[in-house]
Amino acid sequence: AQSVTQLGSHVSVSEGALVLLRCNYSSSVPPYLFWYVQYPNQGLQLLLKYTSAATLVKGINGFEAEFKKSETSFHLTKPSAHMSDAAEYFCAVSDTGRRALTFGSGTRLQVQP
Amino acid sequence: DTEVTQTPKHLVMGMTNKKSLKCEQHMGHRAMYWYKQKAKKPPELMFVYSYEKLSINESVPSRFSPECPNSSLLNLHLHALQPEDSALYLCASSPLAGEENIQYFGAGTRLSVL
Repeated sequence: AQSVTQLGSHVSVSEGALVLLRCNYSSSVPPYLFWYVQYPNQGLQLLLKYTSAATLVKGINGFEAEFKKSETSFHLTKPSAHMSDAAEYFCAVSDTGRRALTFGSGTRLQVQP
Repeated sequence: DTEVTQTPKHLVMGMTNKKSLKCEQHMGHRAMYWYKQKAKKPPELMFVYSYEKLSINESVPSRFSPECPNSSLLNLHLHALQPEDSALYLCASSPLAGEENIQYFGAGTRLSVL
């Protein structure tokens, strides 16, 4: 079964600093990968998706992620953190056979003023 | 429009009550999903409907009963719940065409069982 691992349950950065949230996948075939963001007391919002068209994927709110097959990684980055980026971030992989998403454990991003 | 609408936003129920959660989408998606999310945990899949038919039931207790009356609507009927069923219940939808399975989520119903 496909799975994703998010390293670091909490990440704290200063406003204006680089954001790096880590995700590694386990898949024997090219996976479909996603990053979702969840603000407090809200549902999940799709940030970006990798569907094999391009290895560098740009998403909403200035986020991007790079698919690296050699490292089985799909890390999420943003050059300059904003206070409004504070939220829970989930990496997910699509199990195309079951049409289900499997989520990582999540990373809570804190942005310090 | 990528909106999935869930009602109610909040629900408090006793263990003997019967209630229903509702989910609606008008994106023409033919796959719809229920997830359960406990505090500080990722969402866990409960049910998947494809073309209005139940395709996946992740061994969910029978006190949760899903229903998909048409291609736009998904319900989750609740009966005799336990306090440990308190959670955020998320609905999602996705197109069935293509393999990517891009899912769009609603804002969720926060359920408290007393």
